[in-house]
Amino acid sequence: NAGVIQTPRHKVTGKGQEATLWCEPISGHSAVFWYRQTIVQGLEFLTYFRNQAPIDDSGMPKERFSAQMPNQSHSTLKIQSTQPQDSAVYLCASSLDRGWAEQFFGPGTRLTVL
Amino acid sequence: GDSVTQTEGLVTLTEGLPVMLNCTYQTAYSTFLFWYVQHLNEAPKLLLKSSTDNKRTEHQGFHATLHKSSSSFHLQKSSAQLSDSALYYCALSDSPNTDKVVFGTGTRLQVSP
Repeated sequence: NAGVIQTPRHKVTGKGQEATLWCEPISGHSAVFWYRQTIVQGLEFLTYFRNQAPIDDSGMPKERFSAQMPNQSHSTLKIQSTQPQDSAVYLCASSLDRGWAEQFFGPGTRLTVL
Repeated sequence: GDSVTQTEGLVTLTEGLPVMLNCTYQTAYSTFLFWYVQHLNEAPKLLLKSSTDNKRTEHQGFHATLHKSSSSFHLQKSSAQLSDSALYYCALSDSPNTDKVVFGTGTRLQVSP
């Protein structure tokens, strides 16, 4: 079991460019989550999917952020027109069952917007 | 809505002293509390969890007791070790029918020799 895989581990973009972050959840896990981590805000929930269907995107900045899960083996988080305030570590997590299940986190993608 | 409060952003301790990291929460629904730990350059991972009122839960030398009367789930350890230095998140889930978890802002624990 390789755990949750996130690529790339580091990404540097210029202001206004697009960034796409990838997540491969643990095989068999039915829920996939995206979080943004900063020193000031801690772990901020962005969005999650269950069985590939979007369930809750209440944490997503509406204008430039989007997430998809085209199949059960990967999810993407896309940020259009990146801004310096988007600089953060983006964490993906997956869980097996509903009902207070443990979330397994990936190593994160550190996004730096210059 | 649900919320989790961790009052200390940073706790610094000398090795061997007891650890207590505070966590309080607000929810109108069921209660399942978690502590996650994140060591430097690693992913967060579950440390312990509980949904039972007034029952002590232990793992890897840490323990916590959910007190619904005071809405608290403080993390404790009798003797800090250098390897305990990490970021600790308290988190809440309010229903067995949802996957979503609300995290606190985290407490960084720094243990020095």
